[in-house]
Amino acid sequence: DVKVTQSSRYLVKRTGEKVFLECVQDMDHENMFWYRQDPGLGLRLIYFSYDVKMKEKGDIPEGYSVSREKKERFSLILESASTNQTSMYLCASSRTGGRLYEQYFGPGTRLTVT
Amino acid sequence: AQTVTQSQPEMSVQEAETVTLSCTYDTSESDYYLFWYKQPPSRQMILVIRQEAYKQQNATENRFSVNFQKAAKSFSLKISDSQLGDAAMYFCAYRSANNNDMRFGAGTRLTVKP
Repeated sequence: DVKVTQSSRYLVKRTGEKVFLECVQDMDHENMFWYRQDPGLGLRLIYFSYDVKMKEKGDIPEGYSVSREKKERFSLILESASTNQTSMYLCASSRTGGRLYEQYFGPGTRLTVT
Repeated sequence: AQTVTQSQPEMSVQEAETVTLSCTYDTSESDYYLFWYKQPPSRQMILVIRQEAYKQQNATENRFSVNFQKAAKSFSLKISDSQLGDAAMYFCAYRSANNNDMRFGAGTRLTVKP
């Protein structure tokens, strides 16, 4: 079974704090993704990475950065958390290539910024 | 950019009945993949079914089937013999054959009534 784990299920942070969300996958997948999930908006891609130390901006990268130092780990960083970053954050991973590869998701981190 | 539209924010179905969830997408590409994901309350998102655009035959997975209309850019999900465990958010997703990132719809919340 593919496993994607996220460091926290629930997180409460204060405005201005630096926040780290960690994601680890155990299937040697090349691709890893960070999404933000908000009611009525579905999943929006923040950043993704197709290899170690490589990253690409998604649709809503502003206010976020990422780090991928090892293949299995992909971190999302909120440099200075703001209340509008209160959301559910989902990490996913997948194999690369043009085949019908699905994305496997972690359980999500519900972040509240007060 | 590709967009995915789920026009039904909420749907309900009686247990043992059949329900169809709608999804349309916009793309200029001819080679792509489509997915339906299920997100049960407070649980991990999992793949329900997937379809390759070049395949005419509609995908089927047990009680789940799709109606893929490529010309109409429509990809609906039919759930037969609905069960209480089918209650969840359902997301339609699009992935280009040339990219690894996915585009998700806003989701449809399915309620199953006993």
